Parts: sequence; C-alpha cells; structure tokens
Amino acid sequence: NAGVTQTPKFRILKIGQSMTLQCTQDMNHNYMYWYRQDPGMGLKLIYYSVGAGITDKGEVPNGYNVSRSTTEDFPLRLELAAPSQTSVYFCASRLQGGDQPQHFGDGTRLSIL
Amino acid sequence: GENVEQHPSTLSVQEGDSAVIKCTYSDSASNYFPWYKQELGKGSQLIIDIRSNVGEKKDQRIAVTLNKTAKHFSLHITETQPEDSAVYFCAATRAGGTSYGKLTFGQGTILTVHP
Repeated sequence: NAGVTQTPKFRILKIGQSMTLQCTQDMNHNYMYWYRQDPGMGLKLIYYSVGAGITDKGEVPNGYNVSRSTTEDFPLRLELAAPSQTSVYFCASRLQGGDQPQHFGDGTRLSIL
Repeated sequence: GENVEQHPSTLSVQEGDSAVIKCTYSDSASNYFPWYKQELGKGSQLIIDIRSNVGEKKDQRIAVTLNKTAKHFSLHITETQPEDSAVYFCAATRAGGTSYGKLTFGQGTILTVHP
C-alpha cells in the first residue's frame, strides 16, 4: 500500500496565483485532514472531512477550500496565494471510530513570493 | 478549545543518554494523547500513545506517562541513538463522539542525538 500520497512535494507560487495540493489515500479511510506546519508552531488543522461529500473547517481555514468527491481524494485549493500561506502542508487520514492513529503524507513545501 | 504546550523546543543529548519531552493540555475532557515523530522531509509517524485510563505505557526504549490531575504527559526515550534525531510532536484529543479524531498538536521538539 502507498498510504497517503501528496503531490507536488515542492512548489513556488507568485502572490495571487492559485493552485491545488493533491492528497490521495489507498487505505479506505473515512477521515481525512489538512494541516499546515510553520516553524515553531506545530501542526494547525485547516480543514477536515469525515467522508465523501462532507467537509468542515478546522482552526485556520481562511484562504483555503477543500472538496471530497471520493473516499480516496481530498484536494486543498489556494485561490489567491498570499505570502502568509508559505508553509509545509500535510495531509493525513485515519479510520473512523475511537482513537485510531492518523497516517500522514510526506508533505508539500509551498513558498509564495 | 484545547491548547497543548510542549517543552523544550530543542533538546540535545549524547548517544546513550535519556531524553524527556513534556506537554501540558488545557481540556480536562481530552482522553487520548499520541506522540508523533517527524523525520526530515517526511510526514509524522505515530510512535506511542496513551489513553486517559492508563498512567504509563512503555514500548521498548520509549515510554509515555500521563498525569490527569496536573493535565500533563511526557515522552521518555532511553538509551538514545542517532536515529532518534527528529522532531517530536505531542497531541491531545477527545477520542470518539463529534471530535472526529481532530488532534491539537504541541509546538514540537527538535531532538538531536550526538554520536
């Protein structure tokens, strides 16, 4: 199994550009999450989904959008990139129920200049 | 909402020494506390977790302790090795119900083990 796969690994954007960060998992996990990680700040939850067609905001959703049309895929969209969105983005997934562990992808390092 | 504080932010030890990382949480309803290890350029991996009905859990060189009264939990790594060098994150959540597995993470600790 590939687990959680994120693409691209690195990207440089200009201010105002848009892009989609891709995340796919092959573990049939219902729950999926997007985090951003800034130096010294830990991981902050952007959006999460508990199943296809269901998404909800996390702690820091402004400037982002998500969709969940299938169980496998959970893309994160930046519509108007801003320097404050320079960060490392991690996607994670887990099984529904109890205290199942989250499985993380390797991240996308995004710089906005 | 939940708030998790993690200390220290950096920790440097000699190979063979022990390392201890501490976290405090604010929500007394939190009942599940995982620890993740993040190696350079990789996503985080669960290394150990503890539930609120347990005071201590051990897995080979790694142990976690939980003090519910004081609302703090700690990661202990004994006989450290250079491959233990990584960023470690603690997290807390209310497992089950409408929490949907959402974790609140600490700020992370950069552990460096010198050979």
